[in-house]
Amino acid sequence: DTEVTQTPKHLVMGMTNKKSLKCEQHMGHRAMYWYKQKAKKPPELMFVYSYEKLSINESVPSRFSPECPNSSLLNLHLHALQPEDSALYLCASSQHRNNEQFFGPGTRLTVL
Amino acid sequence: QQQVKQSPQSLIVQKGGISIINCAYENTAFDYFPWYQQFPGKGPALLIAIRPDVSEKKEGRFTISFNKSAKQFSLHIMDSQPGDSATYFCAARISGAGSYQLTFGKGTKLSVIP
Repeated sequence: DTEVTQTPKHLVMGMTNKKSLKCEQHMGHRAMYWYKQKAKKPPELMFVYSYEKLSINESVPSRFSPECPNSSLLNLHLHALQPEDSALYLCASSQHRNNEQFFGPGTRLTVL
Repeated sequence: QQQVKQSPQSLIVQKGGISIINCAYENTAFDYFPWYQQFPGKGPALLIAIRPDVSEKKEGRFTISFNKSAKQFSLHIMDSQPGDSATYFCAARISGAGSYQLTFGKGTKLSVIP
């Protein structure tokens, strides 16, 4: 298995909802990442997990809460989001932090 | 100093032509330069990458040219095809302990017309 999978593909939520995004990889990678991408912009790094420990939080608001239950899974819990949080949320993984990053297809999030 | 400047913002090329996208950087500590290809609604896919100890790397129709003294690198797509129509991002990273962050260019939207 040489890919990063993300579910759901699309998500529409209200500002009071709680939802979660899921990312999975079975390549044995030990670093996993969450990015946010707005239309016509490059990806912006949100969080980095290395060996299941959060190593980087790029000043992301607390309404985004990451979780890494094991070496293959990465979740992003969402609560009380704002319409400006609507974006494509990308997960990526790499062998270690210093290796090539492979991206998943993303979850298109719309906040109403 | 952490920026990577990418040009052009958009590019239209005839089928069979050569597409050229340029990137420039300031931070000489960058030592890994990947290019990503992204189709609409999809995640970026690693296309090709280069380190500054070589001046050129070729993979099929895709070539990276690297000019260390000018702090510039470029992507050349030979025999461009309509299926190459996508957004291309250059990026740069500092290797070594603690490194993780890719600094992306702003992207180039390539359209290959028949």
